[in-house]
Amino acid sequence: AQSVTQLDSQVPVFEEAPVELRCNYSSSVSVYLFWYVQYPNQGLQLLLKYLSGSTLVKGINGFEAEFNKSQTSFHLRKPSVHISDTAEYFCAVINTGTASKLTFGTGTRLQVTL
Amino acid sequence: EPEVTQTPSHQVTQMGQEVILRCVPISNHLYFYWYRQILGQKVEFLVSFYNNEISEKSEIFDDQFSVERPDGSNFTLKIRSTKLEDSAMYFCASQRDRTYEQYFGPGTRLTVT
Repeated sequence: AQSVTQLDSQVPVFEEAPVELRCNYSSSVSVYLFWYVQYPNQGLQLLLKYLSGSTLVKGINGFEAEFNKSQTSFHLRKPSVHISDTAEYFCAVINTGTASKLTFGTGTRLQVTL
Repeated sequence: EPEVTQTPSHQVTQMGQEVILRCVPISNHLYFYWYRQILGQKVEFLVSFYNNEISEKSEIFDDQFSVERPDGSNFTLKIRSTKLEDSAMYFCASQRDRTYEQYFGPGTRLTVT
């Protein structure tokens, strides 16, 4: 079984400031890692994923994440946020063996203000 | 751009009633999922469906739940006798192949009174 921990339930940040949303996972098997974003009244949208290869993954809207196997982390970063980045962000994993269900963290609410 | 759609957006029902939540996955996708999110909690996997059968289900997905792909386009989740604790946002997702990219619908908010 696997689990995902997002320690920060809310992250307030000023526009144009950098941000890092933390994600740690626990698993007895290899996993693939994902970040999803949920804008108000919308479904979950894939931001980026790590399957293999370079540990630094670039996604949509200027976001990137780095897979750190030794620290079992997959933190999401953006060097300069916009008001439009205000949303809920979810980290998730899939067991590479079964490659079926996503296991989600509890989410981090990113609130960007002027 | 193709997207997953779900109807209704909000369903209110009384305890003990049956509900059917509907989803139209992206047309060339092969893998289908239902997840739910109880208010304030994490998104939880319910069931996955491939090749016209359930491929995996969670402990939540008991005998009160069933899924169906009746006509090759719709993908439905039925709850036979709703309980108060079934109140949640239900998300449908579809995936084209083993790229592991699941595309989510906007969700159906189910309120059981």
